[in-house]
Amino acid sequence: QKEVEQDPGPLSVPEGAIVSLNCTYSNSAFQYFMWYRQYSRKGPELLMYTYSSGNKEDGRFTAQVDKSSKYISLFIRDSQPSDSATYLCAMSPGGYNKLIFGAGTRLAVHP
Amino acid sequence: DSGVTQTPKHLITATGQRVTLRCSPRSGDLSVYWYQQSLDQGLQFLIQYYNGEERAKGNILERFSAQQFPDLHSELNLSSLELGDSALYFCASSASGTGYNSPLHFGNGTRLTVT
Repeated sequence: QKEVEQDPGPLSVPEGAIVSLNCTYSNSAFQYFMWYRQYSRKGPELLMYTYSSGNKEDGRFTAQVDKSSKYISLFIRDSQPSDSATYLCAMSPGGYNKLIFGAGTRLAVHP
Repeated sequence: DSGVTQTPKHLITATGQRVTLRCSPRSGDLSVYWYQQSLDQGLQFLIQYYNGEERAKGNILERFSAQQFPDLHSELNLSSLELGDSALYFCASSASGTGYNSPLHFGNGTRLTVT
C-alpha cells in the first residue's frame, strides 16, 4: 500500500463548478501538506501549503487537512478552463524535504 | 517561469547507455533536488544536495549518481540504462537545506526515453 493515495481521475467538470480533490495517507508523522499544480509538459508549481490540521484559503482555492482521518482536500471554487491541469498532493514529516507525492488527479474544466 | 533550468528537454537513448542530465537552480538557491516521475510510480524523490554536499537520499538506484558543483549547478548521471528508466526527471531548488519555510521550485524536466 502506498503512503499517499490519490485518485488519478480524470475529473471533468463544467466551468464555474466547485471541484473537490482529495488524498489519504497512512503515515501519522506527516505534518506538512502541500498541493502542487502541474500543467502538461511543465514542472509542478506550489499552490497551497498547510502545516498540521486546519483550513487555509487563497483566492478560489481552499486546502483542508484532517489529521484524525488522515485526509486532505483541495477545493477550487468557480473553476476556470485555465485550472485544467494535474493536481498533486504532497506531504512530509518535516518541511519540504523528502516530499511524498500522490499520483496526481487530472482535472479538465470545459467551457 | 520557476527560474530552474534543465537540459536537455528530451533525450532518447538505448539500453545499456549512460546519460547526464543537467540542472541550474534558481539564483540564490543552495539546495538541489532530483525527482523521477513515471506513469506507474508517480513523482519520487531521488536525492538532495545542499551547497555541494549530499543532504538526503531517497529511492535512488545504485546505477544513478548525482553531484552539485561549486557554481551550484547539478548533474544526474544515469548508467546501464534499462527500459524502465524511461521517465520524466525533474530538478527542483530551494533556498535552504533543512526544507523548512523553503518551498521547492521545479524545472520543466528532462524526458528520457530508453529504447
